[in-house]
Amino acid sequence: DSGVTQTPKHLITATGQRVTLRCSPRSGDLSVYWYQQSLDQGLQFLIQYYNGEERAKGNILERFSAQQFPDLHSELNLSSLELGDSALYFCASSKTGGNTEAFFGQGTRLTVV
Amino acid sequence: TQLLEQSPQFLSIQEGENLTVYCNSSSVFSSLQWYRQEPGEGPVLLVTVVTGGEVKKLKRLTFQFGDARKDSSLHITAAQPGDTGLYLCAGADGTASKLTFGTGTRLQVTL
Repeated sequence: DSGVTQTPKHLITATGQRVTLRCSPRSGDLSVYWYQQSLDQGLQFLIQYYNGEERAKGNILERFSAQQFPDLHSELNLSSLELGDSALYFCASSKTGGNTEAFFGQGTRLTVV
Repeated sequence: TQLLEQSPQFLSIQEGENLTVYCNSSSVFSSLQWYRQEPGEGPVLLVTVVTGGEVKKLKRLTFQFGDARKDSSLHITAAQPGDTGLYLCAGADGTASKLTFGTGTRLQVTL
């Protein structure tokens, strides 16, 4: 158990819909990262928050947004969903936003039908 | 854009064999991490290497960071079926504050 909790574990929704994925980081970790992993692909960095503020942005679509709340949990919002958005979405947390190790949650498997 | 290429992409070997996975980039990283991911699970951190030329051992796994901090290798001795999984390297850039993940090496170890 990495200490990072993601909910829900599975999500099936229709095209055009909007969903919210939730992540609770490890206790004491200030930084949260979101990654997307399509079938049999590597991990694509989406966005990082550090202590409530956006720290780094990757290949995140405009239809996607995220935020980190004062209690440090984070949410990833995906809207106007398309079939190609079906993937595993991982959240990771680390103590700082620099070189420290990241610990991953078990992911949310999103299926868009 | 920082890219990390891993080779080979796929590796299927028998129990007891040795193997090496490579992680290469044209960029310099301040540190490099190796993860193993099993199906349906999140990646699990194996090791972090920080200093150029550094070698770390974790039981049968040996990790090396290149002198120029642009590449790394993972060597597994006497592979076991429990080593099966997707191995990912990830480079950390302290300035960018994010991990850049490699393309991954899928390892299958059979009896």
